[in-house]
Amino acid sequence: EAGVTQSPTHLIKTRGQQVTLRCSPISGHTSVYWYQQALGLGLQFLLWYDEGEERNRGNFPPRFSGRQFPNYSSELNVNALELEDSALYLCASFTRFGAQYFGPGTRLLVL
Amino acid sequence: GENVEQHPSTLSVQEGDSAVIKCTYSDSASNYFPWYKQELGKRPQLIIDIRSNVGEKKDQRIAVTLNKTAKHFSLHITETQPEDSAVYFCAATSSGSARQLTFGSGTQLTVLP
Repeated sequence: EAGVTQSPTHLIKTRGQQVTLRCSPISGHTSVYWYQQALGLGLQFLLWYDEGEERNRGNFPPRFSGRQFPNYSSELNVNALELEDSALYLCASFTRFGAQYFGPGTRLLVL
Repeated sequence: GENVEQHPSTLSVQEGDSAVIKCTYSDSASNYFPWYKQELGKRPQLIIDIRSNVGEKKDQRIAVTLNKTAKHFSLHITETQPEDSAVYFCAATSSGSARQLTFGSGTQLTVLP
């Protein structure tokens, strides 16, 4: 069974640009969670998508947005990038038993 | 919402000793408590989890205990090895509409050879 996949693995952008990150959950999983992990820090909840709808969002500005497609894959969009957006962005797939399994992440560097 | 506090933030132990990491949670409705291990530059990996109808769960050198009354749970690693060195995160979730994890701030465990 394939795990959670994310693309790209690394990304370098400049301040003010826009970025799109992609995630594919484990086959059969309908929920996707996005987290931001700044260097040396913990996991901050960004967004939760389930069955194509946004179910909840964390304490992040509106320039962080996303969507979930009919095949349950998801995109995270970040507009007007700021230096502090540099972080590892993790996507997680959810099982009905509660466990979340993480993808390898996308490391974003904003210069 | 849920709030999870994790202690200590850093922990150093000698190889072969035991390590204990503790977490407290605020939402009495929380019923699922996973632990994740994150090695440097890698994704968090689920290592063990426990549900609120169980007081203790063990998997080889790793065990987790849960005290629902006090709203705290702990990770115990026995006979530590250098490869146990990593950041460990606890988390809590409820079965309600949220179905999302609230993570602790993490514990950097270093096992000294």
